[in-house]
Amino acid sequence: EVQLLESGGALVQPGGSLRLSCAASGFTFTNYAMLWVRQAPGRGLEWVSSIVATSLNTYYADSVKGRFTISRDNSKNTLYLQMNSLRAEDTAIYYCARPVPETGTGKYYFDYWGQGTLVAVSS
Amino acid sequence: DIQMTQSPSTLSASVGDSVIITCRASQSISSWLAWYQQKPGKAPKLLIHKASTLESGVPSRFSGSGSGTEFTLTISSLQPDDFATYYCQQYDRYWTFGQGTKVEIK
Repeated sequence: EVQLLESGGALVQPGGSLRLSCAASGFTFTNYAMLWVRQAPGRGLEWVSSIVATSLNTYYADSVKGRFTISRDNSKNTLYLQMNSLRAEDTAIYYCARPVPETGTGKYYFDYWGQGTLVAVSS
Repeated sequence: DIQMTQSPSTLSASVGDSVIITCRASQSISSWLAWYQQKPGKAPKLLIHKASTLESGVPSRFSGSGSGTEFTLTISSLQPDDFATYYCQQYDRYWTFGQGTKVEIK
């Protein structure tokens, strides 16, 4: 059974830092790109960042570029999100998710999501 | 960026009703569209991908259609478990979501 378990969410002051983790199990982690999606309270969903299986390529939404860093440790089956210079608008539940490709294409949808971890940025 | 617009934002319906949710893309995304269901306090759950392909284990009362810029999610014979918020998502270029449609009990 595929499982994604996020951790690391907390209350942090504006300008602060936080590192989120997502522990993956039930599938061959090294075969998949991974990504983070967030959901602000009462709001919709926003893709944040993604990383390919080899870590050679990473991608970021404009809203977090230069402040967040995605990484992974394939030996630990774990995905990370280092969040620096946090702002009030970064307050959200952060989900890790597994993207899977439509067969024969480079188009990826998300088939499994974790339960999320809450990040609150406030003084 | 590709913008996704869902309508309505809220939909009131009764058990047994058939409901339709519409999603429009700001530019053509071919059939690269997914639908997700989210219940309060839970992660989104994949229902449909490639506009009309039902994910394994999803009841057949859910169906999707459309291509280009116009898409629909239909739930025929609404069940108590279906009251939730539904999101469309384009995955033609990166990923963006609609703002959600809350299906509530009338």
